[in-house]
Amino acid sequence: GESVGLHLPTLSVQEGDNSIINCAYSNSASDYFIWYKQESGKGPQFIIDIRSNMDKRQGQRVTVLLNKTVKHLSLQIAATQPGDSAVYFCAENSKKAGGTSYGKLTFGQGTILTVHP
Amino acid sequence: NAGVTQTPKFQVLKTGQSMTLQCAQDMNHNSMYWYRQDPGMGLRLIYYSASEGTTDKGEVPNGYNVSRLNKREFSLRLESAAPSQTSVYFCASSARQIQVAQYFGPGTRLLVL
Repeated sequence: GESVGLHLPTLSVQEGDNSIINCAYSNSASDYFIWYKQESGKGPQFIIDIRSNMDKRQGQRVTVLLNKTVKHLSLQIAATQPGDSAVYFCAENSKKAGGTSYGKLTFGQGTILTVHP
Repeated sequence: NAGVTQTPKFQVLKTGQSMTLQCAQDMNHNSMYWYRQDPGMGLRLIYYSASEGTTDKGEVPNGYNVSRLNKREFSLRLESAAPSQTSVYFCASSARQIQVAQYFGPGTRLLVL
């Protein structure tokens, strides 16, 4: 999972394996979550999103799972490829006390995924 | 579509100098954002513009100003650069402010000496 500080969590997998990247979020009022992929020297790239009224959402080779009870988000990548090597960030969109969304994303620290051929 | 573009790609400043980072999007998005990213950390929001004509502070606004020039363009200005502002700056845009993905530009790498 993700942690605060300069040392990012890392995950190393073999090509073809499935990868699971975890994220713990802090705000129980968050209603929207996104996963981003960031390759070295590039901007974050949108992967998949999920709203708080869902537990699971699938994309192409990726699945996001949301467990609101324990405030946990995970990204599963099937048949991981070397091109999947990057830093992965989760982000949450929090609500204000009155229930309207801030519209601002709060990002986690990131997890480094390394895929070995 | 170019998506979100940023200029310059890289800049070196001396302490006290000023500069403006430019951002433009061609996706007809209403909302735009400026983030900074420091080594080993996630992105932190500096300022955002929910729609043309509005701007608001994010998490780390001190030392920065912004201008939403029109629907396409959102600039970030450093009036008097400090070494603590050495960072990678990302601009992003989204169709609306809430519950939609933000799309990021390639970043501007700023070094303040």
